[in-house]
Amino acid sequence: AQKITQTQPGMFVQEKEAVTLDCTYDTSDPSYGLFWYKQPSSGEMIFLIYQGSYDQQNATEGRYSLNFQKARKSANLVISASQLGDSAMYFCAMREGGQGNTGKLIFGQGTTLQVKP
Amino acid sequence: EAQVTQNPRYLITVTGKKLTVTCSQNMNHEYMSWYRQDPGLGLRQIYYSMNVEVTDKGDVPEGYKVSRKEKRNFPLILESPSPNQTSLYFCASSNRAKREKLFFGSGTQLSVL
Repeated sequence: AQKITQTQPGMFVQEKEAVTLDCTYDTSDPSYGLFWYKQPSSGEMIFLIYQGSYDQQNATEGRYSLNFQKARKSANLVISASQLGDSAMYFCAMREGGQGNTGKLIFGQGTTLQVKP
Repeated sequence: EAQVTQNPRYLITVTGKKLTVTCSQNMNHEYMSWYRQDPGLGLRQIYYSMNVEVTDKGDVPEGYKVSRKEKRNFPLILESPSPNQTSLYFCASSNRAKREKLFFGSGTQLSVL
């Protein structure tokens, strides 16, 4: 069965420093997609970045990058130059694909990030 | 404006009183899904729909029903709510491909007394 694990319930980072949020996953499907979403205190879910299992390069979106290590089944989110507005809960998620059903989407438990001034 | 609209934002009800949370999207997305968010558990998928008249169970479907009679709407029905269904609920939609990001509604905070 699919599984997503975020082992860091809460993290602190100093403003302007980089931070890595951990995510490990488990799936038997060779074709899958990995996502990161941000949920600020206002509650909305904001898409940050996507990594496909067959993508040759690690995904990057502005200050966000995904450290994808397929053999280790990890998809850590790296936020560079943290800003106060980055304080939020962050969720890692996985969607299986390829020839299989792409309907099931599972999320990790989330990591709360607090950026200190 | 492309969006997923959920109603209501807040709902307080009593045990056993049937309720429906509506969800509508204006992006012609085939895929729609419902999630509940509980502290320490992240988001858990309740039901999803790959297209009109096609629905399937997620990880926590017990106590919920859904229907997909039209492409744009995907209501969540609680026939007999119980206190353990008190939660924050999100509806989301996307295109079917696994690369497609989800567009989320604003959430519905449900309290069952």
